[in-house]
Amino acid sequence: KAGVTQTPRYLIKTRGQQVTLSCSPISGHRSVSWYQQTPGQGLQFLFEYFSETQRNKGNFPGRFSGRQFSNSRSEMNVSTLELGDSALYLCASSLEGTGRNGYTFGSGTRLTVV
Amino acid sequence: GDSVTQMEGPVTLSEEAFLTINCTYTATGYPSLFWYVQYPGEGLQLLLKATKADDKGSNKGFEATYRKETTSFHLEKGSVQVSDSAVYFCALKKTSGSRLTFGEGTQLTVNP
Repeated sequence: KAGVTQTPRYLIKTRGQQVTLSCSPISGHRSVSWYQQTPGQGLQFLFEYFSETQRNKGNFPGRFSGRQFSNSRSEMNVSTLELGDSALYLCASSLEGTGRNGYTFGSGTRLTVV
Repeated sequence: GDSVTQMEGPVTLSEEAFLTINCTYTATGYPSLFWYVQYPGEGLQLLLKATKADDKGSNKGFEATYRKETTSFHLEKGSVQVSDSAVYFCALKKTSGSRLTFGEGTQLTVNP
């Protein structure tokens, strides 16, 4: 079966712009989480959605937001981009919503802010 | 708060050498523990997991045992291959909540 699909794979944006990233989870998975990966901070949790509701949120400014649709696909939006937002953004999905058995990650979206 | 500490890298080994990557954690209760692997330009792949004390996770020759008494989950492999070259991440997930807390990652390079 298809894995977690993230689009686009690469993105270059200018400071001050906004960006939307997309994630399609494995079919049947209802939980989608987002992580930011940078060389300096490592992997940091952004937020998690389950059945269209945000269940958990990490320590990121309000410029970072997300949503989940009825088909479990999720989008992440970053407004007023800063240079420090350059990172690999990873999406992960889970079947049972608890993540107890681990999450399946996508290949990520590489965002570069110039 | 919760945290995961991995041994400092990078780690460089010759093919067929024995691998150990240390991982210790700080968390209340009984978290689930994971090892993920990341190949260049890719996302994370779940390598193995353990959900309770004394559980041993294993996959593709890699093993890790959940040690509650030492709050550790060290990754081992008896004979590494060049294809094992990647970054390895130890992670935990609390029983309540959905977020994964990751260690800083350990870069492994295996030379032929």
